[in-house]
Amino acid sequence: QVQLQESGPGLVKPSETLSRSCTVSGYSISSGYQWGWIRQAPGKGLEWIGSIHYSGNIRYNPSLKSRVTISLDSSKNQFSLKLSSVTAADTAVYYCARVFSGIAYFFDYWGQGTLVTVSS
Amino acid sequence: EIVLTQSPGTLSLSPGERATLSCRASQSVSSNYLAWYQQRPGQAPRLLMYGASNRADDIPDRFSGSGSGTDFTLTISRLEPEDFAVYYCQQYVTSPYTFGQGTKLEIK
Repeated sequence: QVQLQESGPGLVKPSETLSRSCTVSGYSISSGYQWGWIRQAPGKGLEWIGSIHYSGNIRYNPSLKSRVTISLDSSKNQFSLKLSSVTAADTAVYYCARVFSGIAYFFDYWGQGTLVTVSS
Repeated sequence: EIVLTQSPGTLSLSPGERATLSCRASQSVSSNYLAWYQQRPGQAPRLLMYGASNRADDIPDRFSGSGSGTDFTLTISRLEPEDFAVYYCQQYVTSPYTFGQGTKLEIK
């Protein structure tokens, strides 16, 4: 059974960089699939941030592209998100998830999500 | 960007009743590249349907999806207590992959 577990600081100061990691168990991320990030501001809907494939193919939401970096560490079976120059508007629950396939870009396994608050 | 509009915003029903949730796209979602998710309070979204009408693994058959083009529907035939949650649709025909704003299904 595939499981995803996020980790990282829950509080980030404005203008700094938000960092999240997602450790995958039950599947080797270097074997395939894309791995992505989605966020949900408090009381709001879901927003796709981006995804990465072990081959290095990366996709970003254009609305966040200038501030986002997604990377993958196959030795740790982990992928990561960095969001720079954060503001209060970036306060959200950040989820990591598996993308079903390169064509069928929906999310079949999700991490539990963690609230990241941007505040001084 | 494809905008998905879900209606109603809140649906108040009783257990045993039938629920019909709508998702309308600002442009055609070709190949029915539309998914539905259920989100219970404090939990991550859970995949219910993909390809508009295909149930994900372990999803009960009281859930069904239909539609094409710009209009899609999620139907829950007989509501169980655990079905009261927020439901989101998501299109994956084109990047950026977008979600609807959600429909909250609450107990009447």
